[in-house]
Amino acid sequence: EAQVTQNPRYLITVTGKKLTVTCSQNMNHEYMSWYRQDPGLGLRQIYYSMNVEVTDKGDVPEGYKVSRKEKRNFPLILESPSPNQTSLYFCASTVSPGYSPLHFGNGTRLTVT
Amino acid sequence: AQKVTQAQTEISVVEKEDVTLDCVYETRDTTYYLFWYKQPPSGELVFLIRRNSFDEQNEISGRYSWNFQKSTSSFNFTITASQVVDSAVYFCALSAYNAGNMLTFGGGTRLMVKP
Repeated sequence: EAQVTQNPRYLITVTGKKLTVTCSQNMNHEYMSWYRQDPGLGLRQIYYSMNVEVTDKGDVPEGYKVSRKEKRNFPLILESPSPNQTSLYFCASTVSPGYSPLHFGNGTRLTVT
Repeated sequence: AQKVTQAQTEISVVEKEDVTLDCVYETRDTTYYLFWYKQPPSGELVFLIRRNSFDEQNEISGRYSWNFQKSTSSFNFTITASQVVDSAVYFCALSAYNAGNMLTFGGGTRLMVKP
């Protein structure tokens, strides 16, 4: 089954404790992206990747890192999480950004206390 | 810069009513795509429709229909004879060629359909 898999679904952590949210897709998509969803703000792009070893900032990259060492994986790293990063995070992939629909993972709800 | 506005943050209707979700967009690009996604209470995001800027034909899919009007920069979504299962948050989104095809989402409209 074609899918984007994110883990974990729920994560509670404390300020400053590094964490990684994993994302993997099995559709051989070159484009992958991370979004955060906050009430009233919709989804805002954090980082995206056009291909292996190619990543770029989205609208809200501060406090986040990503890497794209393999085509299928695109982890999101919070080196020193802060409470304002409490949010619902989605990973997505597509064959052609802007034209083709995004395939989303099921989301990761992160709480930073 | 591109922008998508969904002015209705929440809409509540009774089952079988028709409901229209508004979406207004801004872009200076002439080549762009508009999307609607649905987020049911379970939280996943589901693609509903894509429309390109050169195709102003309205589209109907069952109880769902979309009205794209370039003259008013709007891409509205109508659900006919709403059902409880339509309860969800709906997002309108825009990607423009000259904005690097970055997808910009509106703030979403939460639709509650009561039995």
